[in-house]
Amino acid sequence: NAGVMQNPRHLVRRRGQEARLRCSPMKGHSHVYWYRQLPEEGLKFMVYLQKENIIDESGMPKERFSAEFPKEGPSILRIQQVVRGDSAAYFCASSPAQAITDTQYFGPGTRLTVL
Amino acid sequence: TQLLEQSPQFLSIQEGENLTVYCNSSSVFSSLQWYRQEPGEGPVLLVTVVTGGEVKKLKRLTFQFGDARKDSSLHITAAQPGDTGLYLCAGESFGGGTSYGKLTFGQGTILTVHP
Repeated sequence: NAGVMQNPRHLVRRRGQEARLRCSPMKGHSHVYWYRQLPEEGLKFMVYLQKENIIDESGMPKERFSAEFPKEGPSILRIQQVVRGDSAAYFCASSPAQAITDTQYFGPGTRLTVL
Repeated sequence: TQLLEQSPQFLSIQEGENLTVYCNSSSVFSSLQWYRQEPGEGPVLLVTVVTGGEVKKLKRLTFQFGDARKDSSLHITAAQPGDTGLYLCAGESFGGGTSYGKLTFGQGTILTVHP
């Protein structure tokens, strides 16, 4: 059973370009969470999605950032007009349901570098 | 806003020593999880504690959840160089009438065990 897949693993963008980060949850998981990690810091929640629905986007900046989880295909985190401060590791996690003890399985992350 | 204060931030010890990492909050969490993260990888779940006062053991690792479900500790006995890594605690929030898995992470503890 394949784990959570994220691609690309490393992404380099120049200021003003767009970044698209993809996350394929584990098979059978319909809940996806995106987190951002700055160097030597813990992870910060960004957004929680179920298929075709955004459940909670309270941790996501209101401008330039968007997320989707379509009926078919991976979840996408999109950052428009990137700035140097967007440089970070972005992790997604998936779980089968939203029960309290359901484990979130994390992907390997996408390291975004903005030049 | 829920916060988790994790301490110490850095820990450098010799092989064979014992250590304790603390995770404290003024908020109550439905569950608390401990992760270990290797450089360049995503967090890997070590344990989930759900009940106040709960103690779980995983080989040389002992995890405790405070009675009030606001704090937790990770104790490692006879540390080994293979224990070196970033340790993260994360609390799972109550989402109003519907609990969901939004995780609040501590800042992390970077543990280095010298041979």
